[in-house]
Amino acid sequence: DQQVKQNSPSLSVQEGRISILNCDYTNSMFDYFLWYKKYPAEGPTFLISISSIKDKNEDGRFTVFLNKSAKHLSLHIVPSQPGDSAVYFCAASGNFNKFYFGSGTKLNVKP
Amino acid sequence: DVKVTQSSRYLVKRTGEKVFLECVQDMDHENMFWYRQDPGLGLRLIYFSYDVKMKEKGDIPEGYSVSREKKERFSLILESASTNQTSMYLCASSTQGMGLNTEAFFGQGTRLTVV
Repeated sequence: DQQVKQNSPSLSVQEGRISILNCDYTNSMFDYFLWYKKYPAEGPTFLISISSIKDKNEDGRFTVFLNKSAKHLSLHIVPSQPGDSAVYFCAASGNFNKFYFGSGTKLNVKP
Repeated sequence: DVKVTQSSRYLVKRTGEKVFLECVQDMDHENMFWYRQDPGLGLRLIYFSYDVKMKEKGDIPEGYSVSREKKERFSLILESASTNQTSMYLCASSTQGMGLNTEAFFGQGTRLTVV
């Protein structure tokens, strides 16, 4: 059973608006959470992360929110740009340094 | 910059062939990973190595083996390739340490087609 889940396979937003990507996890031992961005035929690139001791981390247009009690995290992109169109993967890791990934959400930002 | 390099971008192999996928990282990372990416399934961990000659099975190790003879190199071996192993294979590396949070760095991927 997948320990990290992204229930929305795709999301379409208008340029300039907010994109919200969601992720749920089941393993309470996870203490570090990451978002990756992936273009076709390329490897994933790291975007932003958050430790379990925080509930928010911000980097420019990207903000990640963590709700530990709900085992839920989200990535907000404001404002969304056409270049943000890609597949976004949520990932989680714990003490054993292994990274578990969700199934991905394909974001399409329309000009 | 961290660099993770996979030996091939695209490979076409025949059913039953033994296939080697090579990965090299230049940041002296202890951990190395092999994932496969399939539509709707995301990235699934095949094998993980935390030191030279040390390995752990991931979620889908069946039909695969790995080798880590040197710290910088991690090889994925398909013992007898089958069509259901057609996929995008991604190698990654990361540093290790208790209490140290760090990201995994990925290679560019190898698109393997088994015919």
